[in-house]
Amino acid sequence: AQSVTQPDIHITVSEGASLELRCNYSYGATPYLFWYVQSPGQGLQLLLKYFSGDTLVQGIKGFEAEFKRSQSSFNLRKPSVHWSDAAEYFCALAGSGGSNYKLTFGKGTLLTVNP
Amino acid sequence: NAGVMQNPRHLVRRRGQEARLRCSPMKGHSHVYWYRQLPEEGLKFMVYLQKENIIDESGMPKERFSAEFPKEGPSILRIQQVVRGDSAAYFCASSPPGVRGSYEQYFGPGTRLTVT
Repeated sequence: AQSVTQPDIHITVSEGASLELRCNYSYGATPYLFWYVQSPGQGLQLLLKYFSGDTLVQGIKGFEAEFKRSQSSFNLRKPSVHWSDAAEYFCALAGSGGSNYKLTFGKGTLLTVNP
Repeated sequence: NAGVMQNPRHLVRRRGQEARLRCSPMKGHSHVYWYRQLPEEGLKFMVYLQKENIIDESGMPKERFSAEFPKEGPSILRIQQVVRGDSAAYFCASSPPGVRGSYEQYFGPGTRLTVT
């Protein structure tokens, strides 16, 4: 069975500091991976996705993520956090088989940004 | 191009009542997915529909829950005889047609259901 683990429930950083949110997955083949952001009371917005090719993917709002097969990880990074980045972040996986439309989500990491 | 629309945004129901949640996909999108987010949990897949067809309902509870996506109008997620455990946020997503389209899921703002 496929699964996604986000080890950090809550992270606090200062504005301007760098950020890394961790995501580990379990899947028998190469998965398709996504990061979504959810602001309070809002839906999920897709930040970036990895399907294949270059393992470093760029997304919106200055975010990037690196796929590391050997570590089964897809960590999200941003060099300098802005106060508006405070939100909940979800890592998700889609299998490359027949049920690839089923996104499996981690439990999320809540990001707090201090001024 | 308007995004995925969901209504109502908040819904309060007493135990035993019915809840109807509506989802209008983005223009040009023919695939609709419903996910449920329980408190402090990630989203869990419920059902995948195309116009007039249920493709995969493997994530739907066996009883009281049903979903449809008619030829005209929004997709509806219906919960009969709601119980307190149904309290959650229900998200709808849509995607464009095509093999890879299903990966490009765009989410609506969700309906937060509270059962009292």
